[in-house]
Amino acid sequence: DTEVTQTPKHLVMGMTNKKSLKCEQHMGHRAMYWYKQKAKKPPELMFVYSYEKLSINESVPSRFSPECPNSSLLNLHLHALQPEDSALYLCASSPITLGETQYFGPGTRLLVL
Amino acid sequence: ELKVEQNPLFLSMQEGKNYTIYCNYSTTSDRLYWYRQDPGKSLESLFVLLSNGAVKQEGRLMASLDTKARLSTLHITAAVHDLSATYFCAVNTGTASKLTFGTGTRLQVTL
Repeated sequence: DTEVTQTPKHLVMGMTNKKSLKCEQHMGHRAMYWYKQKAKKPPELMFVYSYEKLSINESVPSRFSPECPNSSLLNLHLHALQPEDSALYLCASSPITLGETQYFGPGTRLLVL
Repeated sequence: ELKVEQNPLFLSMQEGKNYTIYCNYSTTSDRLYWYRQDPGKSLESLFVLLSNGAVKQEGRLMASLDTKARLSTLHITAAVHDLSATYFCAVNTGTASKLTFGTGTRLQVTL
């Protein structure tokens, strides 16, 4: 099973809402990632979790709050987002070994009104 | 700061033709990845290149890595319409699993 799943597929939220994105993998990977991708642009790394601990935060605004409850799950909590945060949010996972490829989920397309 | 550039940014090619996409990066790395993304879809891993001179081939695609020149190429042989997609290279540097993606090349294969 080389699948990373993400829910929801689409999300529309207002600037005062609180919502969460979910990501799950059952490949035994101990590294998980959140990326943000704007239209016609490459993905940009937001967060990296290694062994369920946050190891990289790419200076992401605090209105994005990641959480890794266990080795299979990764959440991204959203609060007070801005319209410019509208994007495709991609989750990925990989073995912790350096050089291993990252497997991407289908993404959540987020629209902030 | 690591910069990863691809060229061309857009490529329109006829079926049956050959072409090469180039990926240049600005700092030393021996870990380079190629991904494919269809419109509105996620990223699919194509190749992992982990050493100087590495060459990988899958079907009509062949990727190579020259770490001294900080250059990777993705060669397309006898293109078919199904290869139409955006192709990204990505470079991994440092001790953490941090990928920096290239600018992307949108490939359109026409009949």
